[in-house]
Formats: sequence, C-alpha cells, structure tokens
Amino acid sequence: DAGITQSPRHKVTETGTPVTLRCHQTENHRYMYWYRQDPGHGLRLIHYSYGVKDTDKGEVSDGYSVSRSKTEDFLLTLESATSSQTSVYFCAISESAAGVYNEQFFGPGTRLTVL
Amino acid sequence: AQRVTQPEKLLSVFKGAPVELKCNYSYSGSPELFWYVQYSRQRLQLLLRHISRESIKGFTADLNKGETSFHLKKPFAQEEDSAMYYCALSGVIQGAQKLVFGQGTRLTINP
Repeated sequence: DAGITQSPRHKVTETGTPVTLRCHQTENHRYMYWYRQDPGHGLRLIHYSYGVKDTDKGEVSDGYSVSRSKTEDFLLTLESATSSQTSVYFCAISESAAGVYNEQFFGPGTRLTVL
Repeated sequence: AQRVTQPEKLLSVFKGAPVELKCNYSYSGSPELFWYVQYSRQRLQLLLRHISRESIKGFTADLNKGETSFHLKKPFAQEEDSAMYYCALSGVIQGAQKLVFGQGTRLTINP
C-alpha cells in the first residue's frame, strides 16, 4: 500500500459538533483528495489540493472545509456535523492531476457516523 | 455534464462463467477511462486504464466511443474476483482535471 494513513479510522459524533479527519502521506505527492463513499452514489469528490495551501472544491463541498499546511497532511473539517454527512471518507493522492497515466492511490478510509 | 453510469448495483455469477460489468459515460471531450476495484478489507486500487489496452487479472475493457461505453469483461470468473468495482472518467471539469466515479457494482462470484 502507498504510504497513506487516515485518522481516526472510525468516529461516532453528534449532530452539531465539529469533526476533523486527517490524511497523512509519506509519498511526497503533490495532489491530495477527499472523497465520500455512499451506497448508490459511488465516490464523490469533496475537496482536493494541488499543493501546500492550494485547495479547490469538488462536487459535494458544502458543509466541508479543508486545509493543507504541509505536503504530507490534508485535513478535512466538518464545521457542524449533520446526519447527512454520515459516510465513509477516503483520502487519495497522486503525483499529478488525474489523467491517463496518473493513478490515484487511496487510503484505508474513515467511517464517520453522525447521530 | 460529465457523468459515469454503472447500471448494475449488484451482479452475481457462477465461477467459470463470463462476467461483464457495464459502464457508460457522458463527456464532451476525449475521455480517459479507468476501472478501480476494492476487494474485501483492502484499499481501493486501480485495476486498468483504457489507454494501456492491457489485460489485468484476466479482465479487459474496451472504450467504445460510439456507444460511450467502457464495459469490463472477463471470460471465466474466479471467486477472488468478488469485489466492488468502480468505473471512473478523468476529464477537465470546472477548469481542472478531475476523476469522476460511477456508482459502483458489487460483483459476487458464486462457487
């Protein structure tokens, strides 16, 4: 497995509380991504980063913010968690932007439950 | 709009039978298509990319631009092929190169 870790791996929280998920890589890849995986929807991009302090929105960014202060860390924050954010969250990395020869490598996932 | 559709949420076949996982896409430019796979208790990983035109673990996929399809095929399914399969399209979306995934198909190979 590529050197990608996610923490925590499981979390249960209550509606309205802030939650931060961490993705850490040891591959020195420039691009990092946060996806959520939901039945019937597959994987949907939340936010991505193309460098330190450089981030942009994905398909389902409402209610989420991200930060990348170091190459190796990409944080996803739910400012005020809602039950609709119950999901499995995956971090991914790639050397370059998604393209024909640029494979994305995925972390193990974080299962988040918002009660 | 860019979209990837996998019409089958679940697919079950017997060991040794042929298997085909369907994928259709919509994209205005020249698409780059991939299949990713997630085996039980493993991470999501790339299975194959259309540009390589290779066979991986016995699977092949041909890009059919006329039918806007990229179906994944294997002539003789094995039990170890049981997994979740995602078709994905790479393209320029809102000014940036991104990967768009389909809804996924859970393939079960029965002994």
